[in-house]
Amino acid sequence: AQSVTQLGSHVSVSEGALVLLRCNYSSSVPPYLFWYVQYPNQGLQLLLKYTTGATLVKGINGFEAEFKKSETSFHLTKPSAHMSDAAEYFCAVSDWGQNFVFGPGTRLSVLP
Amino acid sequence: NAGVTQTPKFQVLKTGQSMTLQCAQDMNHNSMYWYRQDPGMGLRLIYYSASEGTTDKGEVPNGYNVSRLNKREFSLRLESAAPSQTSVYFCASRPQGRGHNEQFFGPGTRLTVL
Repeated sequence: AQSVTQLGSHVSVSEGALVLLRCNYSSSVPPYLFWYVQYPNQGLQLLLKYTTGATLVKGINGFEAEFKKSETSFHLTKPSAHMSDAAEYFCAVSDWGQNFVFGPGTRLSVLP
Repeated sequence: NAGVTQTPKFQVLKTGQSMTLQCAQDMNHNSMYWYRQDPGMGLRLIYYSASEGTTDKGEVPNGYNVSRLNKREFSLRLESAAPSQTSVYFCASRPQGRGHNEQFFGPGTRLTVL
């Protein structure tokens, strides 16, 4: 069975600081990994995904994530936080079929 | 393309009332999903439909029924609403149930059961 953990239900950073949101997964097969963002009162929007190939994946809004198989991690980073990045972020893992499991989410606050 | 649309956006029910949440997608996707989102619990899968004509239970199906009306539409029905079903409900679709395909989400329905 697949599962996803996200360390820290709430992360606060200052504007301009590094954003690091952690995601670890468990999967019995090579995983496909996703990060979604949810702005207040909206649905989820795909930020980026890892399928195969390059382990460093770039997404929208300056975010990127690195797949590390040895650490079973897929942490999300952004060099410089902006106020507009305040949102909830979800990591998700998928196998080859219908199974698609979301983590519990991390709320990012950006302080002026 | 409108993507994934959901109606209504908001709904207040009394305990015991019934209602149907509607979802439609115009992306010709095969798979569709219903989730509920509660504070601190992330997204929990209620039901999904891998293709037209098929439906399967997810993690939290009790108290819900679904209908995959056609390839575009996937509805969620609460037969007798309970306060525990107060939540935000999201519908999603996916091109096929292949791992590399992401899910596309609707804007959600906020349901309050009094």
